[in-house]
Order: sequence, then structure tokens, then C-alpha cells
Amino acid sequence: QKEVEQNSGPLSVPEGAIASLNCTYSDRGSQSFFWYRQYSGKSPELIMSIYSNGDKEDGRFTAQLNKASQYVSLLIRDSQPSDSATYLCAVVNAGNNRKLIWGLGTSLAVNP
Amino acid sequence: DGGITQSPKYLFRKEGQNVTLSCEQNLNHDAMYWYRQDPGQGLRLIYYSQIVNDFQKGDIAEGYSVSREKKESFPLTVTSAQKNPTAFYLCASSSGGGAANVLTFGAGSRLTVL
Repeated sequence: QKEVEQNSGPLSVPEGAIASLNCTYSDRGSQSFFWYRQYSGKSPELIMSIYSNGDKEDGRFTAQLNKASQYVSLLIRDSQPSDSATYLCAVVNAGNNRKLIWGLGTSLAVNP
Repeated sequence: DGGITQSPKYLFRKEGQNVTLSCEQNLNHDAMYWYRQDPGQGLRLIYYSQIVNDFQKGDIAEGYSVSREKKESFPLTVTSAQKNPTAFYLCASSSGGGAANVLTFGAGSRLTVL
């Protein structure tokens, strides 16, 4: 089992819809969770960080964390073509010298 | 503006040559990192440094070397011992404390071995 798992996609949604991206992790002791967006050929940029169970909203983005079920998700409301990118989930692994463990990313395509 | 500058953006290397990728940050961050990204393999940590004059191997350090003589600079040398160096190399930094793992990335350097 990989430490951080994401569906590779591509996830395709129409413009204006809600895009839902999911990430599961294996280390139950993990405390810090991050979503990064990476456009093709570019470097990752931080979208959201979340540390407590529940929802965290920032504009059109909502991160959801459920530590009991060991998943973290990212919802993008009113999806725009400019949201088309790969979304990387990253988790701080409490059992491995607090290293940042990366998922392989989910490719999102928002169709006009 | 504060940020991380990587150079060169594109680099071509002949087999057997060492190359050095530059990474400079003016964010006053203590920690700096080098990652390698290959298609379908995600981000893999090469080396990281949490303080000047100290650095640790990441998951794939073989064939690479680094130095951290200044807080602002963390150059990566890809040596001839690295058997498959063609990849996208990303430098990142983070501040300490609670934001220790909030990374800011440079624009990346794409290395191609001819």
C-alpha cells in the first residue's frame, strides 16, 4: 500500500461544476495535510493546508479532513478552465522523521 | 518580491559530465530541499538542509551532491554517477516551526542528457 494515494484521473468536469479530489494516507499519526496545484511544465504551488478534522474553506476551495477514515479531499466549486491542472496531495508522515510524503497527483480537466 | 530562483531553466548534458543546478532564495527560510520529478513517479526527495552547513540525504541521493554554505543558497550537483539524470528538478524552501512543511517552490530546472 502506498503511503499517500490519489486517483490519477483524468477527472473531467464541466465548467461551473464542483470538482472533488480525494487522497488517502496510511500513517494514522499524520497531522499535517496539504494540497498543491501544478500546471503542466510548471512547479507546484500551495492551495490549501489543513491540520484539524472538518472543513476549511478558502474562496472556491474547500479542504476536508477525516482522520478516522484517513482521507483528505479538495473541493473546487464553480470550476473554471484555469483550474485544469494536476493536484498533488502531501502528508507529513509522523512515523518517518516527519517527512513530507507526496501522492502522484490527480489530473483535472475543466471543460468549457 | 521574495521567492526562489532556479537556474538554468533548461540544461543539456553529455553523458559523463557533472552539472550544477543553482537555487537561491530571499525568503529568509531556514530549510531548503531538492526534489526530482519524473512522469508518473511524483516528487522524490534528493537532499534537504535545515540549517547552514548541514544537509541530509533524501530518498534518492545517490549520484547527487549538495552544499549549504549560505542560508540563501543550496546548489545541487548531478554527477556522472547518476545513471538516469534526465528529469525536472525542483528546489523548495520552508520556514521553521509550524510552517515547517509549507513549501515554496522555484520554477524548476529541466535537465536532459544527450
